[in-house]
Amino acid sequence: AQKITQTQPGMFVQEKEAVTLDCTYDTSDPSYGLFWYKQPSSGEMIFLIYQGSYDQQNATEGRYSLNFQKARKSANLVISASQLGDSAMYFCAMRPGAGSYQLTFGKGTKLSVIP
Amino acid sequence: NAGVTQTPKFRVLKTGQSMTLLCAQDMNHEYMYWYRQDPGMGLRLIHYSVGEGTTAKGEVPDGYNVSRLKKQNFLLGLESAAPSQTSVYFCASTENWADYGYTFGSGTRLTVV
Repeated sequence: AQKITQTQPGMFVQEKEAVTLDCTYDTSDPSYGLFWYKQPSSGEMIFLIYQGSYDQQNATEGRYSLNFQKARKSANLVISASQLGDSAMYFCAMRPGAGSYQLTFGKGTKLSVIP
Repeated sequence: NAGVTQTPKFRVLKTGQSMTLLCAQDMNHEYMYWYRQDPGMGLRLIHYSVGEGTTAKGEVPDGYNVSRLKKQNFLLGLESAAPSQTSVYFCASTENWADYGYTFGSGTRLTVV
């Protein structure tokens, strides 16, 4: 069974500072994908970044980067230069490899950006 | 650019009533999913479909039924609503299983009293 663990229920960060949101995962499948989603107070799920298990380099998308440590089974999200609009819930999710369709989500981390 | 559209956005049901949630996508995606989101639980998969006419159970299927008669629509039914089904329901779609572009609808907030 696949499992995603987000150990930080809530985080605070000062505006313009960087913040790391933790995510560890558990799977025996050698092929998998890791995702981060943002859910603002309005409720929609916004895709941020994706990392494939065979990708050699860490994924980056603008101010978002994924610190992928395969041996440790961790996929931490780094947000640089935090903005007030970054205040939201953040979910880490995993899609196992071939033959499976389920995105398994962590319980989320609530990020609050302080002016 | 409608993407994934869910109707209704809000609904209050009495225990024992039935209802159907509609998910419609205009991206010609093969795969569609229904998730529920409860406080502190993240999103959990209820049912999914890998193509027109197919459905399969996810992690928490009990109390729900689904149908995919047309490729663009995925219906989630509650035959006899229970308070435990109070939740926010999200529909999502992807072009194929390997596509990391899961597109989510805006959600349906359902309250069962």
